[in-house]
Amino acid sequence: LAKTTQPISMDSYEGQEVNITCSHNNIATNDYITWYQQFPSQGPRFIIQGYKTKVTNEVASLFIPADRKSSTLSLPRVSLSDTAVYYCLVRRGGADGLTFGKGTHLIIQP
Amino acid sequence: IAGITQAPTSQILAAGRRMTLRCTQDMRHNAMYWYRQDLGLGLRLIHYSNTAGTTGKGEVPDGYSVSRANTDDFPLTLASAVPSQTSVYFCASSDFGHYTFGSGTRLTVV
Repeated sequence: LAKTTQPISMDSYEGQEVNITCSHNNIATNDYITWYQQFPSQGPRFIIQGYKTKVTNEVASLFIPADRKSSTLSLPRVSLSDTAVYYCLVRRGGADGLTFGKGTHLIIQP
Repeated sequence: IAGITQAPTSQILAAGRRMTLRCTQDMRHNAMYWYRQDLGLGLRLIHYSNTAGTTGKGEVPDGYSVSRANTDDFPLTLASAVPSQTSVYFCASSDFGHYTFGSGTRLTVV
């Protein structure tokens, strides 16, 4: 599976838009890009998943360029409760589990 | 509420003792997983099961065993616990690439 690289930490303020970029240079044709959020003392929670171009749901948008070697998770108008660790993962079809990196620790300040 | 139930939520265990972490899902997902998460690190896959009756080894399987007698239950057993198995353990299930995680079991081996 393609290795992912993302910033270890980021800071922002309430009401701002936050963009977290992840690189996955060796992504394969049948791989999907998926993002999870984890709060302290909780299991990861699915945020969004995409294959190419742009995907939007009620909490985030995911931008994937044509070469698919990177992706950007966009969180609009963040609040203090968005402080969490965000994991970018490359998922292959099948059911052999997800491979997690260290994620990005996002800290939102008032 | 549909999801993953893990038990116990926390446990202090003497080294050398046997321990089974329980995991039950009510979503009828075929695939289930066990991860461990150590301080400051991402999750690492211990074992997985693509369907009832089958299991597979993940990234860090040594010292752990699993069974999958039915769709809903996926217990993780530590035959003889060691201090390096102190960690937070998360159970998960997946359906069509969407993973649902439990709230975790915090295990301390002393």
